[in-house]
Amino acid sequence: TQLLEQSPQFLSIQEGENLTVYCNSSSVFSSLQWYRQEPGEGPVLLVTVVTGGEVKKLKRLTFQFGDARKDSSLHITAAQPGDTGLYLCAGPFAGYQKVTFGTGTKLQVIP
Amino acid sequence: GAVVSQHPSWVICKSGTSVKIECRSLDFQATTMFWYRQFPKQSLMLMATSNEGSKATYEQGVEKDKFLINHASLTLSTLTVTSAHPEDSSFYICSATLGSREETQYFGPGTRLLVL
Repeated sequence: TQLLEQSPQFLSIQEGENLTVYCNSSSVFSSLQWYRQEPGEGPVLLVTVVTGGEVKKLKRLTFQFGDARKDSSLHITAAQPGDTGLYLCAGPFAGYQKVTFGTGTKLQVIP
Repeated sequence: GAVVSQHPSWVICKSGTSVKIECRSLDFQATTMFWYRQFPKQSLMLMATSNEGSKATYEQGVEKDKFLINHASLTLSTLTVTSAHPEDSSFYICSATLGSREETQYFGPGTRLLVL
């Protein structure tokens, strides 16, 4: 069974702080997506990374794909209450069509 | 672009009844759609992969006779929970990809099912 572990599971921080969420696997990804999900809604795609070592920025969010394409990180600068939600990494492992979802990181940003 | 809708957004039903959930791709054709189930504070669990014009592929442990999936067209897939029981209460989410080789999934808003 291929696992996709996210850490931390829960994170509660004050507005303005920085944070990093990690997504780790022992297997290689074909590509990796990050989603944010708010309660009662479906996940919303934030970014897709494909190339090992790739870094993508989306305003205050910085996404990095590991050189070996086995891990990824999401860094948020100066977190805001609107960043609150469940962050999910997901991706198909190389050679597989099915997308595996990470265990999720629940972020709460306190005003 | 890549908008996926679900209907209904939430439903309450009595135990023993069947419930149909629709998933539509509004501005693109989806060869493949996926159905997920999500319990509170947990990640998404893939239930089945739905391909237009063919039978769905179910994940291990998912009863195909209980969760009927029909992908009738390139823009519509339906999930029917048959003879629903309280333990079927959950958040059901569908997603679609833009093409057969596309890996990014676009998600619907989800359907909250409560079985009394």
